[in-house]
Formats: sequence, structure tokens, C-alpha cells
Amino acid sequence: DAGVTQSPTHLIKTRGQQVTLRCSPKSGHDTVSWYQQALGQGPQFIFQYYEEEERQRGNFPDRFSGHQFPNYSSELNVNALLLGDSALYLCASRLGQREAFFGQGTRLTVV
Amino acid sequence: KQEVTQIPAALSVPEGENLVLNCSFTDSAIYNLQWFRQDPGKGLTSLLLIQSSQREQTSGRLNASLDKSSGRSTLYIAASQPGDSATYLCASRTLLTGKLIFGQGTTLQVKP
Repeated sequence: DAGVTQSPTHLIKTRGQQVTLRCSPKSGHDTVSWYQQALGQGPQFIFQYYEEEERQRGNFPDRFSGHQFPNYSSELNVNALLLGDSALYLCASRLGQREAFFGQGTRLTVV
Repeated sequence: KQEVTQIPAALSVPEGENLVLNCSFTDSAIYNLQWFRQDPGKGLTSLLLIQSSQREQTSGRLNASLDKSSGRSTLYIAASQPGDSATYLCASRTLLTGKLIFGQGTTLQVKP
């Protein structure tokens, strides 16, 4: 079992550009959540997907959007990138209400 | 609104010492509480999960306790080793929302 996998591991983008991050959940998991972790801070919840729909959303602007596919994998899209979007983006998956497992993250740098 | 706090923000101990990391939360209506380890620039590794109906969980040298009435959880690390050096994060989850609310973490350094 490969666990939760995220791609790419690192990414550098220019202000104003758009970015797509990808996540494959742990085998058997049906719920995927995305978190943003700024340097020195705890992760902040962005949104959660279940059955291909966004079920919950944190305090993030509409520039942040996502998608979940029938195979439970997920994408996080960020439009009109700002310098402040530079962070480690973490994907987590779980089955129902069970334990959450995290991927290794995507380090996004906006220049 | 749930808030999770971890004190201290950083801790440095000599190898072999037993230590306790603290986590406090404001809303006692939690579903579970999870402890994670994070190495620099890496993702989160789940260490222990305590359900709201449980008082503690143990895995090897780690023991986590939960006291909902006081809004506190502790992570006890026995016989610390340099390899335990990392940031430790706690996160609470409610059944209603399902999202994890994280503390800011405690960065632990174990000196040889």
C-alpha cells in the first residue's frame, strides 16, 4: 500500500499564474481533505471532498477550488497566485470517520 | 469555534529523558484527537489516535492521554532518542465537521 501520494513534490510559480496539485488517497479511502501549512504554523483546513462533492470548506477564497474523481483521487487548483500562497499543501485521506493519513505534501513557492 | 493550543512551542532535552507534550482544546465536543509527527519539510505521520470515549492510547514508547472535561491531551515520550527530534502536532476533530483543527506544534530536539 503506497499510502497517500501527492504530486508534484515541489513547484515554483509566478504571481498571477494558476497551479494544480494532485493527490491519490490511501487504498480503500473515500474522503479527501486539503490543508495549507505556512512555515512554522499548523496546517489549516481548505476543503474536504466525499462522493465527488465538496462537503466542507475552510476560510479560503474562491481562488482555491478542487475536484474529486470517481477513483477518489483529488486535485487542488489555485488561481491568480499570490506570494502569500507559498506554503506546503497537504492532502489527507480517510475512510468514513476513521483515522486520517497524510501525504508528503507539495511545496509551492510563488515568486 | 474550536481552538487548539500546544505549549511549549519548542523543547530541548538530553537523550534518555522522559518528556510530556501538551495540547489543549476549547470545545470538549470532539470526536477524536490525533497526534502527528512532522520532520522538516515533510508530511505528517500519524502517531496515535484517541477516540472521545477513550482515555489513552499507547504505541511503543509513546502514550497519549485525553481528558475531555479539562480540554487537554498529553503525549508522553519515554526514553527519548535523537531520532525523536521533530515537530509534534495535535489535531482535534468533531463528528459534525470532520475537519482537523491543528495546534501550532511543539518542536522537539533531543540532544545526544
